[in-house]
Amino acid sequence: AQKITQTQPGMFVQEKEAVTLDCTYDTSDQSYGLFWYKQPSSGEMIFLIYQGSYDEQNATEGRYSLNFQKARKSANLVISASQLGDSAMYFCAMRGRTSGTYKYIFGTGTRLKVLA
Amino acid sequence: DVKVTQSSRYLVKRTGEKVFLECVQDMDHENMFWYRQDPGLGLRLIYFSYDVKMKEKGDIPEGYSVSREKKERFSLILESASTNQTSMYLCASSFAPGTGSYEQYFGPGTRLTVT
Repeated sequence: AQKITQTQPGMFVQEKEAVTLDCTYDTSDQSYGLFWYKQPSSGEMIFLIYQGSYDEQNATEGRYSLNFQKARKSANLVISASQLGDSAMYFCAMRGRTSGTYKYIFGTGTRLKVLA
Repeated sequence: DVKVTQSSRYLVKRTGEKVFLECVQDMDHENMFWYRQDPGLGLRLIYFSYDVKMKEKGDIPEGYSVSREKKERFSLILESASTNQTSMYLCASSFAPGTGSYEQYFGPGTRLTVT
């Protein structure tokens, strides 16, 4: 069975510092995709970054980078130079195949609070 | 910009009522999804559709049905609403042909309360 695990229910970080949000996944498939989404208090889910299972380089998008360690099945999100507007819920997700059909599964999320 | 819209932000219904939640996307996406989000449980997939008139059960389909008569529209139906269906409902879409991108784009959500 495919699974996403986010072990940090909540985290604090000081403004301008970097923070790492953990995500581990489980799949027996060779081809899969990993995603991170941000959900501010307004409720809308915002796509941040994507990593394909065959991508050799870690994905980066502005202040976001994905630390992809395939052997350890981890896909941690690193936010550099945190800003107050980064305070939100963050979800890790995976697109993988289950019984021949591609599906997306989500972790339970990490609530990040950036302190001034 | 991809836009996914949902028919209501807030909805209050009575137990036993039939409830329709509508979702429309404007980016020619082939895939559409319905999730419910509950505190501590993350997002759970109710139903999804990879093509018009096609639907597949997600992880928690009981008590729900869906309809996709047109590519841009995906409806979630609660046949007889119950209090345990009080939740935030999120619609998402993904994949326009030729893009090779599979990230999902989400609507603003519908907070449904069943009393």
